[in-house]
Amino acid sequence: KNEVEQSPQNLTAQEGEFITINCSYSVGISALHWLQQHPGGGIVSLFMLSSGKKKHGRLIATINIQEKHSSLHITASHPRDSAVYICAVGSQGNLIFGKGTKLSVKP
Amino acid sequence: DSGVTQTPKHLITATGQRVTLRCSPRSGDLSVYWYQQSLDQGLQFLIQYYNGEERAKGNILERFSAQQFPDLHSELNLSSLELGDSALYFCASSVGQVTYNEQFFGPGTRLTVL
Repeated sequence: KNEVEQSPQNLTAQEGEFITINCSYSVGISALHWLQQHPGGGIVSLFMLSSGKKKHGRLIATINIQEKHSSLHITASHPRDSAVYICAVGSQGNLIFGKGTKLSVKP
Repeated sequence: DSGVTQTPKHLITATGQRVTLRCSPRSGDLSVYWYQQSLDQGLQFLIQYYNGEERAKGNILERFSAQQFPDLHSELNLSSLELGDSALYFCASSVGQVTYNEQFFGPGTRLTVL
């Protein structure tokens, strides 16, 4: 079993839909990161959180430390949100990555 | 633009060869991380340096080595290359430890081993 599991693996949505991507982990962590990888390959850090909730524009990230679970929400999705979203947990000095969720938003 | 630069962007080489990938971190960042992303394995942590010292090691092969120089740029050396080493190699930087700090990624180096 992977230490970081994401679901779903693939997600297709219509423009405007509310999207949720889930991440569960099995190791002790100091922080959890959400990353976005564009079709061209570049990686951007979206959030780093160790408790509670963070919001940036249409993106919201939450974490429940007791349940070892985090969610990334996208409100009013747009085709430019199409990318791979990767959850990574900081543990023992490095990052352990999930396999990513490929999101495709259709106009 | 994250402020992290990587060179070269693309590298094509043959099995058995040796290559060097270079990374310059964001101004002010002391930590540099190297990651490998292959189609079947996803992103994997290779190694971290902090202010010139090796801090953490992940799934880095013995054929691979890295160092961080006094000006904080880092190099990843890959030797005796095999077909399976073909991947995207990312460098990232942060102020301190990634477990407590946001990380900024470079654009990556795409390595193709023929």
